[in-house]
Amino acid sequence: DAGITQSPRYKITETGRQVTLMCHQTWSHSYMFWYRQDLGHGLRLIYYSAAADITDKGEVPDGYVVSRSKTENFPLTLESATRSQTSVYFCASRQGGSGELFFGEGSRLTVL
Amino acid sequence: SQKIEQNSEALNIQEGKTATLTCNYTNYSPAYLQWYRQDPGRGPVFLLLIRENEKEKRKERLKVTFDTTLKQSLFHITASQPADSATYLCALGGGNTGFQKLVFGTGTRLLVSP
Repeated sequence: DAGITQSPRYKITETGRQVTLMCHQTWSHSYMFWYRQDLGHGLRLIYYSAAADITDKGEVPDGYVVSRSKTENFPLTLESATRSQTSVYFCASRQGGSGELFFGEGSRLTVL
Repeated sequence: SQKIEQNSEALNIQEGKTATLTCNYTNYSPAYLQWYRQDPGRGPVFLLLIRENEKEKRKERLKVTFDTTLKQSLFHITASQPADSATYLCALGGGNTGFQKLVFGTGTRLLVSP
């Protein structure tokens, strides 16, 4: 199916473990984004990518790593998960530098 | 400091009335502003975009205004329906927010009663 998909949708892990959240889009959009959503903070940008092999930090990048070897994929890795990284993570994409974002359904991560 | 403020309290209105949601910002100079709808457990869905040189934008029952002097956007839903119940997010882009990035408010929950 066309669109933007995230996996896993739900994940429970323990402090210190490595976790990778996957994001795949079928539109060949240039830009991809990772946001986290927490009560009281709204959506906060973690990392974004303007094209394959081009990534940049957002507002809250500490503790996260991204890569973009292919246009359609933008995985987000928590190298050593902490409880403060318990959140709902949203991946999004868009074609140009402005314009609407297309969001995935989110990945709910719980770090125990 | 830079801030985007949306009313954190839920807005309760009756079906058929006009809902008006507010987005205020400080220390931003966005080139455009967007509104999204988010349902529980789902990702946000784009509704409207308005640019800094536009005062008003309409789409069906939706209307957005953008006042760069007041640093405020108003989002109106006319003839509201229970199906309009959701959280609505405003987002700023361009200008000093950074060209590629969108900065989001915390959202306002709208509840439309039959």
